[in-house]
Amino acid sequence: RKEVEQDPGPFNVPEGATVAFNCTYSNSASQSFFWYRQDCRKEPKLLMSVYSSGNEDGRFTAQLNRASQYISLLIRDSKLSDSATYLCVVNPRFQKLVFGTGTRLLVSP
Amino acid sequence: AAGVIQSPRHLIKEKRETATLKCYPIPRHDTVYWYQQGPGQDPQFLISFYEKMQSDKGSIPDRFSAQQFSDYHSELNMSSLELGDSALYFCASSLVAENTGELFFGEGSRLTVL
Repeated sequence: RKEVEQDPGPFNVPEGATVAFNCTYSNSASQSFFWYRQDCRKEPKLLMSVYSSGNEDGRFTAQLNRASQYISLLIRDSKLSDSATYLCVVNPRFQKLVFGTGTRLLVSP
Repeated sequence: AAGVIQSPRHLIKEKRETATLKCYPIPRHDTVYWYQQGPGQDPQFLISFYEKMQSDKGSIPDRFSAQQFSDYHSELNMSSLELGDSALYFCASSLVAENTGELFFGEGSRLTVL
């Protein structure tokens, strides 16, 4: 079983839709959690960190459920520019980040 | 602001050849990570260095080696290249003291093995 698992998608949604991705992780000792965004053939870039209390950044909301060991990302009012692969990233120990397979999102006009 | 610099951006090699990738982290960053991303795959952690010492090791083949130099730049050396080594190799850097967990990635070096 992979340390971090995501539905690879693709998720095809129209502009303006709300879409949610989930991610599960296996190492209960993991301390930090992140969502990275990766555009095709580009480097991953941090989208947002995920805190236990949940956090919101504009149209993006991230949630962490430690008991069930899953992380979620909600995108409201999807834009064409949101089309990308969203990588769930977990920090199981000091200085190691483990990436999920990524969930591909395609937003269409 | 200065970013992570990787070179070369593209590299074409033949089977059994060797290749060296270079990474220059963001100034003041003390940790460097190497990731390998195959076509349609997620980034796989290879190895990391903190203050010029290897700090963690992932799925790095024995044919590969890496080091971090006194100026904090890092090199990934790959020998006896195989077709399956064709991938995008990302270097990332961070500053441990910031403790945000954010990695700053370079644009990657694309290796093609023929």
